[in-house]
Amino acid sequence: SQQGEEDPQALSIQEGENATMNCSYKTSINNLQWYRQNSGRGLVHLILIRSNEREKHSGRLRVTLDTSKKSSSLLITASRAADTASYFCATDAGANSKLTFGKGITLSVRP
Amino acid sequence: DTAVSQTPKYLVTQMGNDKSIKCEQNLGHDTMYWYKQDSKKFLKIMFSYNNKELIINETVPNRFSPKSPDKAHLNLHINSLELGDSAVYFCASSRLAGNNEQFFGPGTRLTVL
Repeated sequence: SQQGEEDPQALSIQEGENATMNCSYKTSINNLQWYRQNSGRGLVHLILIRSNEREKHSGRLRVTLDTSKKSSSLLITASRAADTASYFCATDAGANSKLTFGKGITLSVRP
Repeated sequence: DTAVSQTPKYLVTQMGNDKSIKCEQNLGHDTMYWYKQDSKKFLKIMFSYNNKELIINETVPNRFSPKSPDKAHLNLHINSLELGDSAVYFCASSRLAGNNEQFFGPGTRLTVL
């Protein structure tokens, strides 16, 4: 069954703006991860946040995790056209190294 | 150097045929995975091997058979291909210990006619 649900499903912004994407999940997790997929390519790991962490930064990325609400958000600041891609959240519930992916969010950054 | 590689990148075949997709990783990881991504980009785990041992086997038709000759390779063989098997198949790998960050291959786009 699907664990992560991202919203919005699609997001279109102007270069330089910030993009916020949300993910909700249903069960307890060990960690939550965000991945990016460029068109026609494999997924690339962006950032991981553990269940005992609330916020994490990596370059222009900021991830938050609220385990009480079972939700996470990914913020991309000062977006660039090259950020155009699909973004997926994935939850690790600790069972046999299995990651469960959401449906993904399509981000379009207009130059 | 490519970390996780898959061959072929594209595979077009007729219904009923048998085909294989190969995957290799040079990251020294213990665990490898096969995922299927459908036309709506939904990504679903199919199989996972840890050090040549099957540890995840989701509800997948038994026409799909993974084979891991060593921990750097995980191949996927598909018998009697059906139209619904058309998808992009991704191989991935991760370390057993640690946080399960997964490294993905470039994908194999399978089209069944």
